[in-house]
This record gives sequence, structure tokens and C-alpha cells, in this order.
Amino acid sequence: AQRVTQPEKLLSVFKGAPVELKCNYSYSGSPELFWYVQYSRQRLQLLLRHISRESIKGFTADLNKGETSFHLKKPFAQEEDSAMYYCALSGGSGNTPLVFGKGTRLSVIA
Amino acid sequence: DAGVTQSPTHLIKTRGQQVTLRCSPKSGHDTVSWYQQALGQGPQFIFQYYEEEERQRGNFPDRFSGHQFPNYSSELNVNALLLGDSALYLCASSLRGANEQFFGPGTRLTVL
Repeated sequence: AQRVTQPEKLLSVFKGAPVELKCNYSYSGSPELFWYVQYSRQRLQLLLRHISRESIKGFTADLNKGETSFHLKKPFAQEEDSAMYYCALSGGSGNTPLVFGKGTRLSVIA
Repeated sequence: DAGVTQSPTHLIKTRGQQVTLRCSPKSGHDTVSWYQQALGQGPQFIFQYYEEEERQRGNFPDRFSGHQFPNYSSELNVNALLLGDSALYLCASSLRGANEQFFGPGTRLTVL
């Protein structure tokens, strides 16, 4: 069964501290992994995807197939990073539905 | 480009009623997917439309149905509403063959 687990509902960090949002997945095959972000009163938007291997807004995420994880990291948190973050997977071939985790609310304290 | 648009923004219905939600995809996109997001949960896939046909479906009852029009816009219909149908309904559009989906702002449905 396809499943995405985000163990933390809420993560609070101080401004300038490192951030790691955890994501573990279960999938038999080669999934594509995503991080979506939802800022206050805004729509859900793609933050990054593992196949692009790029850094967006200072965030990076590495797919670890051995540990079936796709943790999101940022070395120095900013107040504007406060948002709801969702990890999601798709089946890898085109147009397969996204399976989301329950999300982690990141709160960056000044 | 306004991106994915959805209407209405909010909707209040009573149990047993029927509701229709609407979605216009991002310009150039031909595939529309619908998701239900209950409070405190991540979005859950309902179904996907391409070429005016339902192509994939999640674990939702037949009370949930949809339609896609020739201009790629889409509707989600829910019959015999239950209290548990109260949720944010998200529409996402994509290009056929691509996994990246663009989301609309959602329609907040409250069933009393």
C-alpha cells in the first residue's frame, strides 16, 4: 500500500536554527517524491521534487531509498518559512495521483 | 494566467442535499484531479479526468461523481451529502504525462 508518514504535526524552531521536516514513505516500486507548502491564506504549491535535485528557498530534500525517507532540510530557518508542509508521492509514471502525508506545521519563532 | 480557479469559495449545505463544485485548470493543462482535505489531514485523491473521461479513482463512494468539459474545466458532484463530507475540496491540474500538479485555492464545503 502507498503511504506517506509525517511524524510531527507541529515543529517549532527559532529563527536561524536548522530545520528538518521528516517524511517516510511506503511504496512498492520507484515513486516520485514531492514537498508541497501552504503559506497562510495561500494555495498549496510545489516546493520541490526529488527528481529535480534543486534547492528552493534554501530548502533541500534527498531521497533515501534504503530508509524510504525524503526529509526536508534548511540550515537556517527564516520567519517567512512558517507554513504547513506536506510530503507527497506519486507512482512515478505520468499523471498518477498524489498520496499526501498529514502535514507538519512549521513555526519559526523570532 | 490566474492559475487554477475554483468556485464557489465557500458553500453550506444540509444533509441529503446535492452539491456541484467547479474548477478551471491552468492555461494549457488538460488533466484535472480532485482531492478532499478533511480538517487536520492531507489531501486525499478522489478522481482524475482527462479527455472528458474519469481515468483514475480513489477510495470514494459513487455519491462522488464528476465531469470534464471540452475546454478542460471540470465539475465535482456529491449526492446525498453526509456530515462527514464537510471538507476543503481541492482541484489540481496538470499536463498529460506529467506528475507535477498545480492546485486551486479550494472550495470549503460545510454540511449541517
